Amino acid sequence: DIVMTQSPDSLAVSLGERATINCKSSQSLLYGPNNKSYLAWYQQKPGQPPKLIIYWASSRESGVPDRFSGSGSGTDFTLTISSLQAEDVAVYYCHQYYSIFPTFGQGTRLEIK
Amino acid sequence: QVQLMQSGAEVKRPGSSVKVSCKASEGTFNSNSISWVRQAPGQGLEWMGRIIPIFDRTVYAQKFQGRVTFTADESTSTSYMELRSLTSEDTAVYFCTKVRGTAVSSPGMDIDTWGQGTLVIVSS
Repeated sequence: DIVMTQSPDSLAVSLGERATINCKSSQSLLYGPNNKSYLAWYQQKPGQPPKLIIYWASSRESGVPDRFSGSGSGTDFTLTISSLQAEDVAVYYCHQYYSIFPTFGQGTRLEIK
Repeated sequence: QVQLMQSGAEVKRPGSSVKVSCKASEGTFNSNSISWVRQAPGQGLEWMGRIIPIFDRTVYAQKFQGRVTFTADESTSTSYMELRSLTSEDTAVYFCTKVRGTAVSSPGMDIDTWGQGTLVIVSS
């Protein structure tokens, strides 16, 4: 299985500041024929199911605020929240869907400093 | 927008089975797959497997192979997850999810919709 490792495990950021979460895969998620990385990011708030925010490593899902952005390719990826809002407090998961057996990172808990 | 409505919480005895249902919006199964993901209390997300209704194909995570069965009823747009030989380690919230597309091999497609989750408690 492809192992997804997120860093840090938890993060505290002041309101209005930038938050950055990293995700590393044990194998490349880049598919040569279409040059896309099969990596998604999900946001999960307490008591709720996860919500898709980024797919193809950098495509923002419809309705997601533009302060959320994804970057990276191959094995190294980043989720950035440009200006943290109170409603962004959540656990964030990266997810590879390249493999026939998809896997998730362990999650990063984002809090307000 | 596609919605996934799951059945209610269950309390089961060790060694028994549980069957969770997931009703999707009409037409969902025509061009999408359903994956099942679980989350133990306070833990992360664990992919259990996928069913592609229009091909009647299933893929199970090795960890659950032989103990879980996914089915789908296209006439009612409902998918089912049955997990057998339950232990306390199976206590978790079980989510059905919609996967964009019907890929049967690598590379796959992302999950864009989640059900509300079904809490399964296994306790004697």
